[in-house]
Amino acid sequence: GDSVTQMEGPVTLSEEAFLTINCTYTATGYPSLFWYVQYPGEGLQLLLKATKADDKGSNKGFEATYRKETTSFHLEKGSVQVSDSAVYFCALSDRDGATNKLIFGTGTLLAVQP
Amino acid sequence: ETGVTQSPTHLIKTRGQQVTLRCSSQSGHNTVSWYQQALGQGPQFIFQYYREEENGRGNFPPRFSGLQFPNYSSELNVNALELDDSALYLCASSTSGAPGNTIYFGEGSWLTVV
Repeated sequence: GDSVTQMEGPVTLSEEAFLTINCTYTATGYPSLFWYVQYPGEGLQLLLKATKADDKGSNKGFEATYRKETTSFHLEKGSVQVSDSAVYFCALSDRDGATNKLIFGTGTLLAVQP
Repeated sequence: ETGVTQSPTHLIKTRGQQVTLRCSSQSGHNTVSWYQQALGQGPQFIFQYYREEENGRGNFPPRFSGLQFPNYSSELNVNALELDDSALYLCASSTSGAPGNTIYFGEGSWLTVV
């Protein structure tokens, strides 16, 4: 079945450092891809999305490009802030029948130190 | 703010009891889904409701059941609670049940089973 694999955390960075969180996927069709963020004690917030190959999703300085050839959707940010500390989840939309279902990775904890 | 509201935010139940969690979807969204997020894990899809009918289900036993009402709000019911049911339960809504539509999550209900 479809699946998502994320790099293990935690990732610890200093403020203004460059961030990359790796995400690869396995899917039989052409899924939409998402990054969600979860701040401590809160639910999931959509960070960005891409719906087809070579699309770039971006929001709040974060970017990710849908790479079909490498089945990847890596999250990047040029300069992280302490407020970016959270758990980041990569997910794909499983195009199974009529169900709008998300399959998530296990999440990557990002800790940004001042 | 995603416009998806859940209640209660926290609750404690005893093994063997039953629990009902409630969700109001974002205005204009007719599709509601529920996810279970165990500590340190990514969310797992439980089921989806579209126009008051279940139209997709994940790998969860029948003691997990749900309802969707004419105003598109929803309930998740879990019978015969087990210790492993302790988790964050997330409700999510979207504009349709079709795969690929953006899904918006609520803050979640933290369930502890003792």
